[in-house]
This record gives sequence, C-alpha cells and structure tokens, in this order.
Amino acid sequence: GIQVEQSPPDLILQEGANSTLRCNFSDSVNNLQWFHQNPWGQLINLFYIPSGTKQNGRLSATTVATERYSLLYISSSQTTDSGVYFCAVEQNNNDMRFGAGTRLTVKP
Amino acid sequence: EAGVTQFPSHSVIEKGQTVTLRCDPISGHDNLYWYRRVMGKEIKFLLHFVKESKQDESGMPNNRFLAERTGGTYSTLKVQPAELEDSGVYFCASSRELTSGGHSYNEQFFGPGTRLTVL
Repeated sequence: GIQVEQSPPDLILQEGANSTLRCNFSDSVNNLQWFHQNPWGQLINLFYIPSGTKQNGRLSATTVATERYSLLYISSSQTTDSGVYFCAVEQNNNDMRFGAGTRLTVKP
Repeated sequence: EAGVTQFPSHSVIEKGQTVTLRCDPISGHDNLYWYRRVMGKEIKFLLHFVKESKQDESGMPNNRFLAERTGGTYSTLKVQPAELEDSGVYFCASSRELTSGGHSYNEQFFGPGTRLTVL
C-alpha cells in the first residue's frame, strides 16, 4: 500500500519561530489533508489540499502532487500550536492513510 | 451545522468485557469511517461505510470487532471481548463526496475520538 512519511518526527521551537513540516507519499493520491491533534487528543482539520497552496492565518500548506509531497508552514508559532501534526492521503478507495505525525513543542 | 460526535469520550473496561462505541456523522454524509490510534502509533484505518453498506473493512484487526450502521445514520463499533492491545483512541470521520469540474472532493471531518483503556 501507499507509504506516507512525515518529517521531522519531533520539532521543538521557541515561540515566534517559523517551521516547515513535510509529508512525502509513495504513490499518486486523490486527496490530502493536514490535521492537528491537540493536547486533548482531538483531530482538527487544518487543510484539505490535494494540490496547490492554501493559507489560513499563520498556517499555510502546499501540495505538489506530481512530486508527491506536501508542506505545512507555521509562522510566528505560539504555544497553542503544540501537538502532533498528521498528514493523511486518500487514493481511490476513499480511506485515508496517515503518516506517523510530527510532534511539535512550542516553548514560551 | 453540527460536527461529527462520538460517545463516550472515555471508556475504561477490564479485559474480557464488551464495549460499544458510537459515532454520529454530519447530517447528509453518506461516508462514515472508523480509525484508531493504538499506543501512540500512527492512526490506522479500520473500515468504511457508504450509507449502511460496508465499503471496505480491510483494516478491522480481527473478529472481536464488529461495526454496524443500521439505517445509514449513526454507527457503532463493538469490541467483544476486549483485549489489552485494543487500548487507544478510536476516531470516526464522515464525508460527502462532491464532484466539480470532473474532480471529486471527499474531505473527511473527524470526531473528537473515544479514548478506550482496557485494564
């Protein structure tokens, strides 16, 4: 099956810093989503981004489907950004395959 | 519009007992999915309903797990008998496939999850 790899696995930032999280996938996909799992364990939709670039406040994401990767940018990070960020991809059968996640810790 | 809801939020049971998790999808969403995250590992797909039919249950770990979606609305996931390795967070998601410009969109919306602890 399709492989989804996220990097880095762990990231520690000082508040105010910028970061880039990467998601590589091994096959063509129909859809890609980025999620943030907050400290309470809830999965929050960040972006639905099968291709192109989207921005939402301090967050933006870019997916280059032809090169099989997606990037999540976090600018001016805040302590509330801490948590695990998951990338998930969907092929033709509608179930999503998740990466192992990037654990982000933002220190005050 | 209400989001995906799951009940209970937490469940603590003993090995050998039975637990039933419930998921209410977003109204109008035909697709319903179950996923789980076990022991801090990656989130894995369990199964997919389209309305009341099981579209794909290839991720179900074994026959101790039974999912139903009677009437194509809410879904239940029963674990019987529960084992220690079943502990984890069980997520439900729903979606409504849309087509625009020849491309299909199937954004999945996740519920808050049920944290299951088997002692």
